[in-house]
Amino acid sequence: DSGVTQTPKHLITATGQRVTLRCSPRSGDLSVYWYQQSLDQGLQFLIQYYNGEERAKGNILERFSAQQFPDLHSELNLSSLELGDSALYFCASSAGRSYTEAFFGQGTRLTVV
Amino acid sequence: SQQGEEDPQALSIQEGENATMNCSYKTSINNLQWYRQNSGRGLVHLILIRSNEREKHSGRLRVTLDTSKKSSSLLITASRAADTASYFCATDQAGTALIFGKGTTLSVSS
Repeated sequence: DSGVTQTPKHLITATGQRVTLRCSPRSGDLSVYWYQQSLDQGLQFLIQYYNGEERAKGNILERFSAQQFPDLHSELNLSSLELGDSALYFCASSAGRSYTEAFFGQGTRLTVV
Repeated sequence: SQQGEEDPQALSIQEGENATMNCSYKTSINNLQWYRQNSGRGLVHLILIRSNEREKHSGRLRVTLDTSKKSSSLLITASRAADTASYFCATDQAGTALIFGKGTTLSVSS
């Protein structure tokens, strides 16, 4: 158990809908990262938050947004969903601002139908 | 965009053999990490090597880093069936976060 909790584990929704994925980092970790993993694109970095503030941005679509709350949990919002958004979404956390060992949750499998 | 690229994409070996996978990256880094992912599950950190280190060991794992060639290798000695997984290298890019390659899928048969 990595100590990172992601909910829900599975999500099936229709095109055009909006969903929210939730991540609770390891106790004490200030950084949260979001990744998208699909078969053809590998593990794509989406966004990172550090202590409530956006730290780095990757290949995140404008239809996607995220935030980190004062209690350090994070949410990834995906809207106007398309079939191609079907993927595994991972959250990871690490202790500090520098990029040391990251601990991954078990992921949310999103299926858009 | 991918920072690290693993090679080979897939590797099949017998139990007891050594497995070597390579990673190349594009820009300067502070450290390079290797992770393992069992099918459909979260990634697990294996080892981190800093840019001023050339080699690091952890159990049956040996990692090398050549910053002049922007490459790293992960050696798993005496492979076991339980080592069957995908292996990813990850690098930090200055100003951005931990970027992963597409991974090497290792299959160890008994």
